Amino acid sequence: DTAVSQTPKYLVTQMGNDKSIKCEQNLGHDTMYWYKQDSKKFLKIMFSYNNKELIINETVPNRFSPKSPDKAHLNLHINSLELGDSAVYFCASSHQSPGTGSGANVLTFGAGSRLTVL
Amino acid sequence: AQSVTQPDIHITVSEGASLELRCNYSYGATPYLFWYVQSPGQGLQLLLKYFSGDTLVQGIKGFEAEFKRSQSSFNLRKPSVHWSDAAEYFCAVGAFYGGATNKLIFGTGTLLAVQP
Repeated sequence: DTAVSQTPKYLVTQMGNDKSIKCEQNLGHDTMYWYKQDSKKFLKIMFSYNNKELIINETVPNRFSPKSPDKAHLNLHINSLELGDSAVYFCASSHQSPGTGSGANVLTFGAGSRLTVL
Repeated sequence: AQSVTQPDIHITVSEGASLELRCNYSYGATPYLFWYVQSPGQGLQLLLKYFSGDTLVQGIKGFEAEFKRSQSSFNLRKPSVHWSDAAEYFCAVGAFYGGATNKLIFGTGTLLAVQP
């Protein structure tokens, strides 16, 4: 059973189109994230949701809109795609807990969704 | 601001040789520190983590890392590298954001190549 699953794995599209990437986790975690990995392999957080509530929004263009219908799902919708949006997008989840619980605050990542904008 | 530096972009070692990947962090409080590995075309897999306690932590696949507060470092080591260890390695610091919510700040990664 895949813990964090993303679809699609590959997405090739034209500039100006709108596309979505879906993410689901079956770990019972209460927090989910989207990270972007650019062509130089640099990973940067985009969004974080805790129990369906937006917690982190890291100065991402408003063309990017995350949606969390429930705490097991976090989808990423991108409007008016640009060349610079080409990247690998990783979904992740964790169980948030104040302090230093042994299992808390450890992110489990999905396999990534490679978006290519032509 | 929190940051992570991995000084080595690319390292090549021979199979069976020892390995050390460097990581330095900047964080105002006691950090949560992580090492993740990314194989080609794959997601990130957690190798090990440091939250508190013993500064030498053991991880999966025979890896270990040592937290040195005085040097702001969390270097990853393995005594004998296997060809299957070839991958990209990322060091990360966990930063609390607005309470308990954690976010990871990653270094730029070190690409490990293993020669036969």
